[in-house]
Amino acid sequence: EAAVTQSPRNKVTVTGGNVTLSCRQTNSHNYMYWYRQDTGHGLRLIHYSYGAGNLQIGDVPDGYKATRTTQEDFFLLLELASPSQTSLYFCASSDGTGGNSDYTFGSGTRLLVI
Amino acid sequence: GEQVEQRPPHLSVREGDSAVITCTYTDPNSYYFFWYKQEPGASLQLLMKVFSSTEINEGQGFTVLLNKKDKRLSLNLTAAHPGDSAAYFCAVSAMGTNAYKVIFGKGTHLHVLP
Repeated sequence: EAAVTQSPRNKVTVTGGNVTLSCRQTNSHNYMYWYRQDTGHGLRLIHYSYGAGNLQIGDVPDGYKATRTTQEDFFLLLELASPSQTSLYFCASSDGTGGNSDYTFGSGTRLLVI
Repeated sequence: GEQVEQRPPHLSVREGDSAVITCTYTDPNSYYFFWYKQEPGASLQLLMKVFSSTEINEGQGFTVLLNKKDKRLSLNLTAAHPGDSAAYFCAVSAMGTNAYKVIFGKGTHLHVLP
């Protein structure tokens, strides 16, 4: 079954730590996205990509890097984690053609930076 | 760029009552609109996708209305039941720098009282 799988489900790190969040999709979708979800803000787009090797900056990119190594895999990197990055992170994929695309969301990664 | 405002942030209704959630958007060129449901601790599930050429869309137990003139999108749960208790997010597809991206509202937490 086509899916978006995120790992880990939960992560705790210290301030200044290095964190990588992983996302794999088996939908054969071109587009992949990283969002963070915070109370009072909804979902905010961090980075997105429309293919292997491509990266587009989202609306809240500061403090985050991303890399799309294959069509299936999209990684979010926090190289110097800060408490403000404590959040629930969602990865999503879509076909992305013409804006008429259903998003398939992963189950989320809950990150705590202490 | 596109901005999406969603109201109300919290909504409590009694079982059998209707519940209305509204989003307004700014980009007149937006063409695709989405409603997502997020149950506690879960990911986002697509409720309905609508196109700007269709004004009224009926789902199972809910109706989505699109008013292009006022740039307003609404979700009307016609007879809410406790299983409808969840967070609801509207989303609007807009053209980013190089690709389409979806802008989410901040969400509405609906609580249906038995």
